[in-house]
Amino acid sequence: GAVVSQHPSWVICKSGTSVKIECRSLDFQATTMFWYRQFPKQSLMLMATSNEGSKATYEQGVEKDKFLINHASLTLSTLTVTSAHPEDSSFYICSAEDRGSHEQYFGPGTRLTVT
Amino acid sequence: KQEVTQIPAALSVPEGENLVLNCSFTDSAIYNLQWFRQDPGKGLTSLLLIQSSQREQTSGRLNASLDKSSGRSTLYIAASQPGDSATYLCAVADYKLSFGAGTTVTVRA
Repeated sequence: GAVVSQHPSWVICKSGTSVKIECRSLDFQATTMFWYRQFPKQSLMLMATSNEGSKATYEQGVEKDKFLINHASLTLSTLTVTSAHPEDSSFYICSAEDRGSHEQYFGPGTRLTVT
Repeated sequence: KQEVTQIPAALSVPEGENLVLNCSFTDSAIYNLQWFRQDPGKGLTSLLLIQSSQREQTSGRLNASLDKSSGRSTLYIAASQPGDSATYLCAVADYKLSFGAGTTVTVRA
């Protein structure tokens, strides 16, 4: 089956620093990847849609200058949280879309804690 | 805007009982509906995907139905086991994937 990996699985950083999270599709090519965040006991909220070779599309209320997304290849998308603050602490999950079925395959998530 | 609701928010049953989890959505123009399982602090495990043209999908003890016209899906888990304890999320796909808040299931041994 299709596998999506994320790195790192957890990260702790100091307030004001930037953190990069990688999302890779291991055995298929993904022209579209998605980034979600999940707060404790809440559902996943879509942050942005990442299309290979073009700019990401951000959902309303998501700061594009704070959450930088790059989708430079068909197997890799990155999310960089810039000038992180404690309120950015969350569980970030990416997914990659199979073009045929529109099924999304999810990564295992990255736990970000900003101190 | 697509809104997805899951009822109940939490469910506790004794081992062996059948589970019924409900999901409703407001816009029936969807590609598919997926059910996921999420363990605490973990990512998502896809359980079943139902294409918009399908009425149900089955995998082992799991069966999911889809009534697109009424905007409803139901996940049935037969003969529940303690290992089924988790949060179950449904998500509908139109131009994006919209998630419900989940049903947290506890199966008591």
